[in-house]
Amino acid sequence: GPKVLQIPSHQIIDMGQMVTLNCDPVSNHLYFYWYKQILGQQMEFLVNFYNGKVMEKSKLFKDQFSVERPDGSYFTLKIQPTALEDSAVYFCASSLTGGYAEQFFGPGTRLTVL
Amino acid sequence: QQKVQQSPESLIVPEGGMASLNCTSSDRNVDYFWWYRQHSGKSPKMLMSIFSNGEKEEGRFTVHLNKASLHTSLHIRDSQPSDSALYLCAAYQGGRALIFGTGTTVSVSP
Repeated sequence: GPKVLQIPSHQIIDMGQMVTLNCDPVSNHLYFYWYKQILGQQMEFLVNFYNGKVMEKSKLFKDQFSVERPDGSYFTLKIQPTALEDSAVYFCASSLTGGYAEQFFGPGTRLTVL
Repeated sequence: QQKVQQSPESLIVPEGGMASLNCTSSDRNVDYFWWYRQHSGKSPKMLMSIFSNGEKEEGRFTVHLNKASLHTSLHIRDSQPSDSALYLCAAYQGGRALIFGTGTTVSVSP
């Protein structure tokens, strides 16, 4: 079936540094999402993105977060600067359309902030 | 307060047995439910979705939805060891963000 890839699978950085998480969505999908999952807790919506714009974001999507997808390449989540509470697994998802379309998820990037 | 509650937290099922998982939303704006399965270290994969009252069956999997109580359940019959995974319920609010529950871990014992 359609696959979403995420790079890297694990990233360890020092607090205050910048990190970029990369997502390679399903090729013909138009809507992109990031979710955050802290160990032992549920996956929580961060942001969705369509046509070069953030459509909706949650309160977890702090000012230090940004997303972009320059020229149809990777869909990225950048955190600058990182904080200890940013340690989590970040899942990328994509869907063909918005609304009720099925979202396809990547395997996640485990981010550890020291 | 959790908007999507799943129970039980974990479940052990004998091979060939039936697993029953529950999910309830406390948000009356929810109008669509998804069930995802996530094997350890892998991405969540959609199993089934439901938005109408009643029941939907696909192979060994059956989902029920009661819209009045915003309760959905997933039943896995003839459970196999490959069904051992984390099962996530997600609710959709009018085409907005997916809200996930904390999941039910199913272990199928041979």
